[in-house]
Amino acid sequence: DIVMTQSPDSLAVSLGERATINCKSSQSILSRSNNENYLAWFQQKPGQPPKLLIYWASTRESGVPDRFSGSGSGTDFTLTISSLQAEDVAVYYCQQYYSTPPLTFGGGTKVEIK
Amino acid sequence: QVQLQQWGAGLLKPSETLSLTCAVYGGSFSGYYWSWIRQPPGKGLEWIGEINPRGGTDYSPSLKRRVTMSVDTSKNQFSLKLTSVTAADTAVYYCAKGGGAARLQSWGQGTLVTVSS
Repeated sequence: DIVMTQSPDSLAVSLGERATINCKSSQSILSRSNNENYLAWFQQKPGQPPKLLIYWASTRESGVPDRFSGSGSGTDFTLTISSLQAEDVAVYYCQQYYSTPPLTFGGGTKVEIK
Repeated sequence: QVQLQQWGAGLLKPSETLSLTCAVYGGSFSGYYWSWIRQPPGKGLEWIGEINPRGGTDYSPSLKRRVTMSVDTSKNQFSLKLTSVTAADTAVYYCAKGGGAARLQSWGQGTLVTVSS
């Protein structure tokens, strides 16, 4: 199984400041055949299902604000919220879809307002 | 925009069988993978398994002995059964579009399943 490790577990950021979440996979999730990283980021607010933000490590899902961006390749990835808004308070998860079964998620990072 | 609506029993006794169904509206059903994911209260996400366009399935190794997924293409629905449930199976269960080598693009609203005697 590919293990996904997120850091930090939680972070508090002032409104308008940058938030950075890291995700590391236990093996490369970069496909040599299409040069894509099979990495997605989700946002989950209390009482709601996860919402897809980013796929292929850096492609924003339709309708996702451009303050959200994803980067990285191979085994190390980052989700950046460039200017934190109040509505961005949530738990964020990374997930690999390179190797299944099983699909695997990171443990989550809780983002709060400082 | 595809929408997923799920339903099933929310309270089970130990040893009973969990049964959930997910209906897909507003988009194509055939040709896609469909997945089930669960989330214990206050914890992270756990992938349960997926069903592919040909009706083939892949399950989490940790749940494989107890899980069955099926699909009814005539109704644009897919289902999950989990046998011999225990308190450890208490979770919110989600259905989702995607799986295989595809992102989990759309999710159902979630169903809280509680296992208690």
